[in-house]
Amino acid sequence: QSVLTQPPSVSGAPGQRVTISCTGSSSNIGAGYDVHWYQQLPGTAPKLLIYSNDNRPSGVPDRFSGSKSGTSGSLAITGLQAEDEADYYCQSYDFSLSGVVFGGGTKLTVL
Amino acid sequence: QVQLQESGPGLVRPAETLSLTCTVSGGSVRSKYWSWIRQPPGKGLEWLAYIYYNGPTNYNPSLKSRITISLDTSKNKFSLQLRSVTAADTAFYYCARLGERNWFDPWGRGTLLTVSS
Repeated sequence: QSVLTQPPSVSGAPGQRVTISCTGSSSNIGAGYDVHWYQQLPGTAPKLLIYSNDNRPSGVPDRFSGSKSGTSGSLAITGLQAEDEADYYCQSYDFSLSGVVFGGGTKLTVL
Repeated sequence: QVQLQESGPGLVRPAETLSLTCTVSGGSVRSKYWSWIRQPPGKGLEWLAYIYYNGPTNYNPSLKSRITISLDTSKNKFSLQLRSVTAADTAFYYCARLGERNWFDPWGRGTLLTVSS
């Protein structure tokens, strides 16, 4: 049971928009800690996709965007491409656990 | 840019202690925080520990009694020890740098550790 809750899977057709939610609580996201997102392509290490809620590292396409509201964060992917098929993880910090916490991950399937 | 590379034994017997090392290149460990994260095959990510170059550490409460993270500035490396391993510790182990507001970037490519007799 992960501290941050993500849907196990989402899917969309090429060109469509999908969103992935990340629900936390008052001891992590709701306490003001940032939400970060990672993309893990099959057989590779996770890669930082969005940091501090809505910032893209250099090289990440602007098709990827993040947002945060209350105790939740959200990742949106527009103009879906086959290469976006991957696992996506959210991450934050939890003060009651005094440590970093991850969501359980969401598998994105491009139909 | 900073690159990280994990190294480890690959196979460890139950009840033994595993030791993993992360070599940092393209930058110095004398800044930032450095961390270990693991991922059992087919499962999600679990943060294990992080360390600052001058000593402060933080451990995942669920593993705190079994793990130790350390850093060697002279060799630009940091390490993880996990004691009394069981099959549940079988996982890909990743090292990563911890950013200012607790994001991980970059990551190493990971090393698979299997616990088996």
